[in-house]
Amino acid sequence: DAGVTQSPTHLIKTRGQQVTLRCSPKSGHDTVSWYQQALGQGPQFIFQYYEEEERQRGNFPDRFSGHQFPNYSSELNVNALLLGDSALYLCASSLGSSRANEQYFGPGTRLTVT
Amino acid sequence: AQSVTQLDSHVSVSEGTPVLLRCNYSSSYSPSLFWYVQHPNKGLQLLLKYTSAATLVKGINGFEAEFKKSETSFHLTKPSAHMSDAAEYFCVVRNGQNFVFGPGTRLSVLP
Repeated sequence: DAGVTQSPTHLIKTRGQQVTLRCSPKSGHDTVSWYQQALGQGPQFIFQYYEEEERQRGNFPDRFSGHQFPNYSSELNVNALLLGDSALYLCASSLGSSRANEQYFGPGTRLTVT
Repeated sequence: AQSVTQLDSHVSVSEGTPVLLRCNYSSSYSPSLFWYVQHPNKGLQLLLKYTSAATLVKGINGFEAEFKKSETSFHLTKPSAHMSDAAEYFCVVRNGQNFVFGPGTRLSVLP
């Protein structure tokens, strides 16, 4: 049973460019959340997708957008990249209807903006 | 809104001695609390969770945590540290549909 997978593993972009990160949830999970983890800090919640809609959003600008597909996989898009967007981007999946709602994390995509 | 405070940014212990990582939470209702571990260049792994059942929660790798409502604490403990426990540990509270992470505690284990 595959866990949460993310691609690519590493990415280097230039300031002002756009980037797309991808996530496949754990088998059986229908909810995907995205987090940004800056160096030396805890992950910060970006947004969550359930039934192909954004269900909840953290304190991130509109440059950060996402999408969930019918197979529950998800994409995170960041436009007009800034140096401060350099971070590890984590995807987590869970079962939306579960009361415990524990989240399973992927290994992350490390984005470097130069 | 829910939040967590991890009182120590870095804890250093000797192999074979007890581990205590401290966490305090703020929540307007009965919280769901979690501890996650992050090894270098690896993803976050769930150690244990509290969801209003037993107040003493046992997790993987010999870790456990006790929920104390009166102290708003959820400290993580282990009787005997192992070299492989060296990692970053995050206390997490669920806020609606998302997780709020603490700043993390880096655990070093000395031989």
